[in-house]
Amino acid sequence: DTAVSQTPKYLVTQMGNDKSIKCEQNLGHDTMYWYKQDSKKFLKIMFSYNNKELIINETVPNRFSPKSPDKAHLNLHINSLELGDSAVYFCASSQASWEPAGGEQFFGPGTRLTVL
Amino acid sequence: QKEVEQNSGPLSVPEGAIASLNCTYSDRGSQSFFWYRQYSGKSPELIMSIYSNGDKEDGRFTAQLNKASQYVSLLIRDSQPSDSATYLCAVKAPDSWGKFQFGAGTQVVVTP
Repeated sequence: DTAVSQTPKYLVTQMGNDKSIKCEQNLGHDTMYWYKQDSKKFLKIMFSYNNKELIINETVPNRFSPKSPDKAHLNLHINSLELGDSAVYFCASSQASWEPAGGEQFFGPGTRLTVL
Repeated sequence: QKEVEQNSGPLSVPEGAIASLNCTYSDRGSQSFFWYRQYSGKSPELIMSIYSNGDKEDGRFTAQLNKASQYVSLLIRDSQPSDSATYLCAVKAPDSWGKFQFGAGTQVVVTP
C-alpha cells in the first residue's frame, strides 16, 4: 500500500565507509528524486531521474552515485562517507515533471544517515 | 539572495484563528508552486499546488498566487493543534524537468 518507500530508515556508519539507500515507488510516476535535508531542515535537490535517465545533477560530490534500474526504483550509493554527509535523505516521485503545471511530488519516509 | 524565501517563524496562532504564511521567489518565469507540510521527524506531505494567479481553496487551506509580485501564500483557516508543523514552499524552476527549489520553511505552532 506504501506509495514511496525507502530502506533503511536509519543508517549509522563510520567515516570512510560506503553505503547505499534504496527507494521504490508504486505510483507509476515517471520522475524520481533524491533530496538532502540538513540539520537546519533545508531541503535541497540532489538528483532527478526521468524514466531511468538522469536529468538533474545538482553539483553533488561525485562520491554520491545514483542509479535507476527501472522507473520505479532509484538508489543512492555514497562512497567514502564524511561527517558532513550526516542528514536525512528523502526520495520522492512525481508525474508530469516537465509540464509547466505539474510535478506534485510524493516523498518517502526518509533515511536518517549519521556518520561518526 | 535566496531563490525561495519564507519567514522561519515560529508563527504562533491561537486555535481557531487564521494562519497566514508567505513565500517569495526570485525566478519570474516560474509557473508551478507547491505547499508541503512537514511534521517533526516525518517527510514532507503535499497540501496544495497552484499554477494560476488568484486563489485556490481546498478545505481549510487557501493558496494565493501573484506572479507579478512573485509571491505565493497559504492561509489555514480555523487552525487546529494538528496543524502545528513546518510548512515548506516549493517552486519549480521554469523550463526544467523537475528542478524544485524549496524555502527553508515556516514553523507554525497552534496554541489551544
